[in-house]
Amino acid sequence: GAGVSQSPSNKVTEKGKDVELRCDPISGHTALYWYRQSLGQGLEFLIYFQGNSAPDKSGLPSDRFSAERTGGSVSTLTIQRTQQEDSAVYLCASSLGQGAIDEQFFGPGTRLTVL
Amino acid sequence: AQSVTQPDIHITVSEGASLELRCNYSYGATPYLFWYVQSPGQGLQLLLKYFSGDTLVQGIKGFEAEFKRSQSSFNLRKPSVHWSDAAEYFCAVGPNTGNQFYFGTGTSLTVIP
Repeated sequence: GAGVSQSPSNKVTEKGKDVELRCDPISGHTALYWYRQSLGQGLEFLIYFQGNSAPDKSGLPSDRFSAERTGGSVSTLTIQRTQQEDSAVYLCASSLGQGAIDEQFFGPGTRLTVL
Repeated sequence: AQSVTQPDIHITVSEGASLELRCNYSYGATPYLFWYVQSPGQGLQLLLKYFSGDTLVQGIKGFEAEFKRSQSSFNLRKPSVHWSDAAEYFCAVGPNTGNQFYFGTGTSLTVIP
């Protein structure tokens, strides 16, 4: 079956521009995570969606970052006024939504480069 | 604060040799522990996880890990490494409350013939 997909796979933008990154989770998965993986760093938690509950935004690094999840499925991570330090691989993961015991299934990521 | 440390940035082993990747965690309660593998161009894949019970857990691809509470460690092992095991390995701590997972910085594994 289809896994988690992310688009675009690569994005190059200029400093100050806005970007949108898309995540399509596995069908039926109610939980969705966004992470950021910077060079030489581990994965940094950004935001968590679970069903119709209010998202956990505690990991968002600044108010330039926001995310939505429409219809409990597709999610979009938006970065406004991008900065060079935003350059990283952005990973999306989904799970069945039964808590931390669930296996997270990761997408291949979007590599963002801010010039 | 919760954290995960993977002390080895890069490890090189010969094919057929044994492997141990180190992971230490800092967590205020009984942790949920995970090992993920990231092959080039691939998403992260779960190798194994620990929540409770037997402290030695078996995973996919012949990997195992042992939870040692006294050492705050969850080291990953494999008795005989294959060339296809070359990848980046991440240890993670999951919440037993809340939603935030903490990942280590990863260990890059090179396998030489």
